[in-house]
Amino acid sequence: EAQVTQNPRYLITVTGKKLTVTCSQNMNHEYMSWYRQDPGLGLRQIYYSMNVEVTDKGDVPEGYKVSRKEKRNFPLILESPSPNQTSLYFCASSSAWGGNSPLHFGNGTRLTVT
Amino acid sequence: GENVEQHPSTLSVQEGDSAVIKCTYSDSASNYFPWYKQELGKRPQLIIDIRSNVGEKKDQRIAVTLNKTAKHFSLHITETQPEDSAVYFCAASHPVNYQLIWGAGTKLIIKP
Repeated sequence: EAQVTQNPRYLITVTGKKLTVTCSQNMNHEYMSWYRQDPGLGLRQIYYSMNVEVTDKGDVPEGYKVSRKEKRNFPLILESPSPNQTSLYFCASSSAWGGNSPLHFGNGTRLTVT
Repeated sequence: GENVEQHPSTLSVQEGDSAVIKCTYSDSASNYFPWYKQELGKRPQLIIDIRSNVGEKKDQRIAVTLNKTAKHFSLHITETQPEDSAVYFCAASHPVNYQLIWGAGTKLIIKP
C-alpha cells in the first residue's frame, strides 16, 4: 500500500531533550516536506526537500533540522525542544515539486513539550 | 510576500444544501490550486485541484472554479452530506519556489 509513515504518533517530552520524528514513504517520491499545524494557523511549512541531499527552509524553520540521506526517509530533528514547538506535525511527499502535484500526508505526530 | 486568504473560517449549512468556500491569492503567476479536506483527527487529503489554464473542474458533487483576473478560486460542494463535515484548506503554488501557500482553513459543519 502506498503510504507515508510517521513515527511516533504521540510524543510527550521535556524542554531541551533532543528528539527525532521519523518519516518514510514507499512511493519513490522525489519531494518531501514537513508541516506543523496549530489551531487557527493552518498548515505551516517547516522544511522541504526536492531530492536526496537537497533541503530548504520553509516558513517556520527555527528550532528544527532535517536530513535527506535517502530518498524514502526525511526525519525531523528537534535539537532542544521548547514548549512553543508543541504542535501537530505532518510529513508529506509528492512525485513532483510539491507545489504542482498532489501531496500525500502521513498520519501526523502530536508533540507535547513541557 | 505571497498570501492566500480563505473565507469563511466557519460555514454551517443544512444537509442537502450547497456550500461554497472562497480563496484569494496575491501573485498572478501562481498556476496550481489544490483543495484539501481534513476530517477530525485525520490527515489532510487532496479532494480536487485545478491549474491556471482551466477555469472550472468538476468531480461528482465537488467543483472548483478559478478566476485568474480577480485572483480567486472557489470550492463548491453540492447536495452536502454529513461526511462532508471537515476542515477544508485551499492552497496556491508559489510562482518562484513552487511551494504551496496555504489558506487558514474553513470548518464546514453539515446540520442534519
